[in-house]
Amino acid sequence: DVKVTQSSRYLVKRTGEKVFLECVQDMDHENMFWYRQDPGLGLRLIYFSYDVKMKEKGDIPEGYSVSREKKERFSLILESASTNQTSMYLCASGTWGSTDTQYFGPGTRLTVL
Amino acid sequence: EDQVTQSPEALRLQEGESSSLNCSYTVSGLRGLFWYRQDPGKGPEFLFTLYSAGEEKEKERLKATLTKKESFLHITAPKPEDSATYLCAVGYGQNFVFGPGTRLSVLP
Repeated sequence: DVKVTQSSRYLVKRTGEKVFLECVQDMDHENMFWYRQDPGLGLRLIYFSYDVKMKEKGDIPEGYSVSREKKERFSLILESASTNQTSMYLCASGTWGSTDTQYFGPGTRLTVL
Repeated sequence: EDQVTQSPEALRLQEGESSSLNCSYTVSGLRGLFWYRQDPGKGPEFLFTLYSAGEEKEKERLKATLTKKESFLHITAPKPEDSATYLCAVGYGQNFVFGPGTRLSVLP
């Protein structure tokens, strides 16, 4: 079974703190993705990576950065957390080709106070 | 503007009452259409990928179909455990765009 794990299920941080969210996949997928999900707004793509050390901006990259030093690990960084970054963060991994699927982790519910 | 919409926004069914969920898209150069199921507080769970018009996929009580501009998720004789939000997503180029989802409730 494909497994995508996220470092925390719930996280509470203060405004201005630096926040790291980590994601690990065990399927040797090239592509990894970070989304946020908010009621009424659905899933929105923050960043994705199609190879180690490669990254591409998604629809809402402002206030976020990412790091991919190893193929299996993709980190999302909030340099200075703000209350409007309170959300559910979802990591996904997948291939782009014959299988074309994305597999999601369990999500991290981040609250910024 | 490229877009993905889903209808209805919410659907309540009695156990055993079959129905369909719709996903419509206006993107160019579709590479794949994806269906996911999401339970509250959890990540989406992959169900199906469809690549071309006329294609169908089945899994238990669910069947997904694809036309040139929309996809349907047919639910036959649903059970309460089918209650969830069903998301569709469209892949084109390097983009993935999710629809807003349909919240399905199946009452016993």
